[in-house]
Amino acid sequence: QKEVEQDPGPLSVPEGAIVSLNCTYSNSAFQYFMWYRQYSRKGPELLMYTYSSGNKEDGRFTAQVDKSSKYISLFIRDSQPSDSATYLCAMSGNQGAQKLVFGQGTRLTINP
Amino acid sequence: EAQVTQNPRYLITVTGKKLTVTCSQNMNHEYMSWYRQDPGLGLRQIYYSMNVEVTDKGDVPEGYKVSRKEKRNFPLILESPSPNQTSLYFCASSPSVLIQETQYFGPGTRLLVL
Repeated sequence: QKEVEQDPGPLSVPEGAIVSLNCTYSNSAFQYFMWYRQYSRKGPELLMYTYSSGNKEDGRFTAQVDKSSKYISLFIRDSQPSDSATYLCAMSGNQGAQKLVFGQGTRLTINP
Repeated sequence: EAQVTQNPRYLITVTGKKLTVTCSQNMNHEYMSWYRQDPGLGLRQIYYSMNVEVTDKGDVPEGYKVSRKEKRNFPLILESPSPNQTSLYFCASSPSVLIQETQYFGPGTRLLVL
């Protein structure tokens, strides 16, 4: 079983829709949770970072962490075609950035 | 412009022919790391370096070597490439090892080993 599971999609939604992306994990030591966005032929870029459980909002993006269920989510409101990308969840324990474990990535397309 | 650069961007080689993928950052970052990205497996860490002359293995180090002689450079060396090392490789850097610090990724190097 992989430490981090993420539905690879692909996921295709109309412009303006609310998008929900999810990851589950098995390692209860994970405390730091991140979402990266990766455009085609580019390297990943950090989108959201959350420590422990709770919600974090940044503009149209909301990250949620439920440590009791070992489940994290990224919500995108009012989705735009420019949001079309692969979204990767990543997480780590106390070792910080040294041991970052990534999900497989979900490929998202927002249709105009 | 602050960036991480990788060269080459695309490489086709044959089994056993030594190759080096270069990585350079111009942000004076302490921490650098190499990942490989494969379909269905996501990004997996190969090696990382917390500072000059300090390197350590990630999750999939077999078949790879690294060195960190200068702060800005972190080359990835494949002494004897094999077809299972065909992958998309990313170099990343960060101001420090603290998780709060974002990792900046290079544009990637697509490697095909025949």
